[in-house]
Amino acid sequence: GAGVSQSPSNKVTEKGKDVELRCDPISGHTALYWYRQSLGQGLEFLIYFQGNSAPDKSGLPSDRFSAERTGGSVSTLTIQRTQQEDSAVYLCASSPAGGNTGELFFGEGSRLTVL
Amino acid sequence: AQSVTQLDSQVPVFEEAPVELRCNYSSSVSVYLFWYVQYPNQGLQLLLKYLSGSTLVKGINGFEAEFNKSQTSFHLRKPSVHISDTAEYFCAVSASGFQKLVFGTGTRLLVSP
Repeated sequence: GAGVSQSPSNKVTEKGKDVELRCDPISGHTALYWYRQSLGQGLEFLIYFQGNSAPDKSGLPSDRFSAERTGGSVSTLTIQRTQQEDSAVYLCASSPAGGNTGELFFGEGSRLTVL
Repeated sequence: AQSVTQLDSQVPVFEEAPVELRCNYSSSVSVYLFWYVQYPNQGLQLLLKYLSGSTLVKGINGFEAEFNKSQTSFHLRKPSVHISDTAEYFCAVSASGFQKLVFGTGTRLLVSP
């Protein structure tokens, strides 16, 4: 497929468990973002990767959240010891190199429900 | 830092009526401005963007927006809406030269017959 791919599309977990969410960006896109979409909260920036530069982690809400991007392509967002307030849709987006036009291409998201 | 305010969380409108979705931003530097749309059960997609030049920008599906620097606004308009325009609309800002987008909380447009 040509778009941003995210998996799983839905994840139900118990409080205290760890979860991993995966994002496969559009081929050739060097920038990758994670956002969180909660009801009534809009889109909350989590983390931004750009090429080989150090990621911008300024949006991660706590040290239970981490993300990595291997080989400049696939990214994994990990949430440790999940809490009920972590329930949300986690969106991944990618953007092509250069241009600084800011246009992001979004995946359909991973819906996380913490019971 | 940049911020975006979308004052209207929900806008109900009848089909074929005009609509305006409001967006105000705050930034100490020049910005790029965007509107994204999220249809039910779909991912976000770009509706239109302002980077430079003409302050009136046209997007897909008959939408347009006007950049007003003095009022720090970027309101989205459509002269005649369709049922299919029912969706959530997000305004976003990016400091010129950077790719990180800051989004507003969204406005749900509800079009009824």
